Amino acid sequence: DGGITQSPKYLFRKEGQNVTLSCEQNLNHDAMYWYRQDPGQGLRLIYYSQIVNDFQKGDIAEGYSVSREKKESFPLTVTSAQKNPTAFYLCASSSGVGFNQPQHFGDGTRLSIL
Amino acid sequence: AQSVAQPEDQVNVAEGNPLTVKCTYSVSGNPYLFWYVQYPNRGLQFLLKYITGDNLVKGSYGFEAEFNKSQTSFHLKKPSALVSDSALYFCAVVNTGFQKLVFGTGTRLLVSP
Repeated sequence: DGGITQSPKYLFRKEGQNVTLSCEQNLNHDAMYWYRQDPGQGLRLIYYSQIVNDFQKGDIAEGYSVSREKKESFPLTVTSAQKNPTAFYLCASSSGVGFNQPQHFGDGTRLSIL
Repeated sequence: AQSVAQPEDQVNVAEGNPLTVKCTYSVSGNPYLFWYVQYPNRGLQFLLKYITGDNLVKGSYGFEAEFNKSQTSFHLKKPSALVSDSALYFCAVVNTGFQKLVFGTGTRLLVSP
């Protein structure tokens, strides 16, 4: 079945440590997105990519980095500069460029600080 | 700047009764509007979208949404609620030019047996 796979499901970060969240899709979608979800808030866009080897900052990119070396993969690194990383992270993809297409979501990675 | 408001944190309804989850939006130009559903510890699932045309949009799992331009609303409805509909529902809007998708803060729907 086609879909988006996020791993790991749970992740713990120590102080000063960088961690990388994996996102893989087999939907052949051009665009991929990373969102952060905090309780009582809507989803906030961290980064997005509409084509391989290109990506754009979203609303809350500080303390995060991404790469898009392959169409299927869009990993997110939470760096030590992100002082409040505890959240639920969601990866999504959509066909075509632009935000007017429905997005397909993975099941998320829950990141906590040790 | 575009924005979405979901005025109710939680909606309670008895199984078999109709349900409405409210959403209002603010955007320049013609909006693209979406509803998504999220079950616990899962990602969001697309329910339906409004682009243009009929003001009543039908989506997945028996849900529909009514677009009202004069009231800038896009309320989600279902004629008969199921316990399995209990979840977190998000409204989202894209502005003309498709530069950004903005989500509401979500409404928790609780359907009691």
